[in-house]
Amino acid sequence: NAGVTQTPKFRILKIGQSMTLQCTQDMNHNYMYWYRQDPGMGLKLIYYSVGAGITDKGEVPNGYNVSRSTTEDFPLRLELAAPSQTSVYFCASSPTTGDGTEAFFGQGTRLTVV
Amino acid sequence: QQPVQSPQAVILREGEDAVINCSSSKALYSVHWYRQKHGEAPVFLMILLKGGEQKGHDKISASFNEKKQQSSLYLTASQLSYSGTYFCGTEIAVTQGGSEKLVFGKGTKLTVNP
Repeated sequence: NAGVTQTPKFRILKIGQSMTLQCTQDMNHNYMYWYRQDPGMGLKLIYYSVGAGITDKGEVPNGYNVSRSTTEDFPLRLELAAPSQTSVYFCASSPTTGDGTEAFFGQGTRLTVV
Repeated sequence: QQPVQSPQAVILREGEDAVINCSSSKALYSVHWYRQKHGEAPVFLMILLKGGEQKGHDKISASFNEKKQQSSLYLTASQLSYSGTYFCGTEIAVTQGGSEKLVFGKGTKLTVNP
């Protein structure tokens, strides 16, 4: 099983550019999450989805957008990139929550905005 | 909503024990524990559920005090491989009887020296 796959692994953006971080899972999980991790900091929830067609904001959604048209895919869109969005982005998925199911993480996308 | 972890950092010698704490201002459905090595994705350690059920690691134990909304991770006879940053994640209710999301604390950096 591939698990959770994120692309690209690394990216450098110029201020004001846009890009989409891709996340795909092959485990048929309902829940998917996007987190960002700044150097030496914890994981902050950007957006999450409880199923296809349903998304909701997390702790730090400003400057990002998401969509969930299929169970497998949960892309994260950055519009008008800013230096404050320099971070490592992790996508995660889980079958559900509330009954003891772990979250599976992708390997991360390291984004630098210059 | 973000759980609070303590301490922020711990330095141990191989064979020593450590306790990492996690507390929340919200009623918790469950507590997750993950470990992250530098430059890697977080890796699942264990989950503690309301009612006392645990799922996860053989060599690491944890407790969950539902009334106090706290959890503690116990690392005994630490090994060099235990080094990393430990995150607690908490599942909280978003809507009444509805979906939940997984939010993480800022992490506890554990260093085990020979």
